[in-house]
Amino acid sequence: SQQGEEDPQALSIQEGENATMNCSYKTSINNLQWYRQNSGRGLVHLILIRSNEREKHSGRLRVTLDTSKKSSSLLITASRAADTASYFCATGRPWETSGSRLTFGEGTQLTVNP
Amino acid sequence: EPEVTQTPSHQVTQMGQEVILRCVPISNHLYFYWYRQILGQKVEFLVSFYNNEISEKSEIFDDQFSVERPDGSNFTLKIRSTKLEDSAMYFCASSRRGDTQYFGPGTRLTVL
Repeated sequence: SQQGEEDPQALSIQEGENATMNCSYKTSINNLQWYRQNSGRGLVHLILIRSNEREKHSGRLRVTLDTSKKSSSLLITASRAADTASYFCATGRPWETSGSRLTFGEGTQLTVNP
Repeated sequence: EPEVTQTPSHQVTQMGQEVILRCVPISNHLYFYWYRQILGQKVEFLVSFYNNEISEKSEIFDDQFSVERPDGSNFTLKIRSTKLEDSAMYFCASSRRGDTQYFGPGTRLTVL
């Protein structure tokens, strides 16, 4: 079964620095989505990138996707203390083959120090 | 901005009891999902639902689980006879086209 795996597991940076998190997966996908989760809270959707896209931007977020390497990265630029959270990648397959279930990785815990 | 809502936020129950977790998806969404996250573990898919029927379910979603869309707005997950290992955060999600999924804040289920 496909599986998203993020690295690093934990990342600690200073406010203003950039944070890069990586995600790898095993099988073919239709899309890859990134979510943020503050401790004990719900999952906030950040960005979706489709399998035919290579890069996508949203505000301070930049996501890349390399389907040949089965990997994605999430870059947060000019980080803020409020960006402190866990970040998950989740891979999606077409509705027809899997009911569009998302398969989540273990997550990266990002800490941004003021 | 429309949001997925879930009630209750926290449910405590005794082992063997039935629980119903409720969700109100975003109003123009057609695809609905339940996921769960055991403390310290990753988010796991339970079931997807479209056009009033289950589209796919995981191996976790056994006969103790059922889902229902009783009216035009609610989407429920029922666990018939809870076990200790059902303790987890349960998330409902909805999607308009079956791609981007928006999650609710979750219901923390504690089984004693």
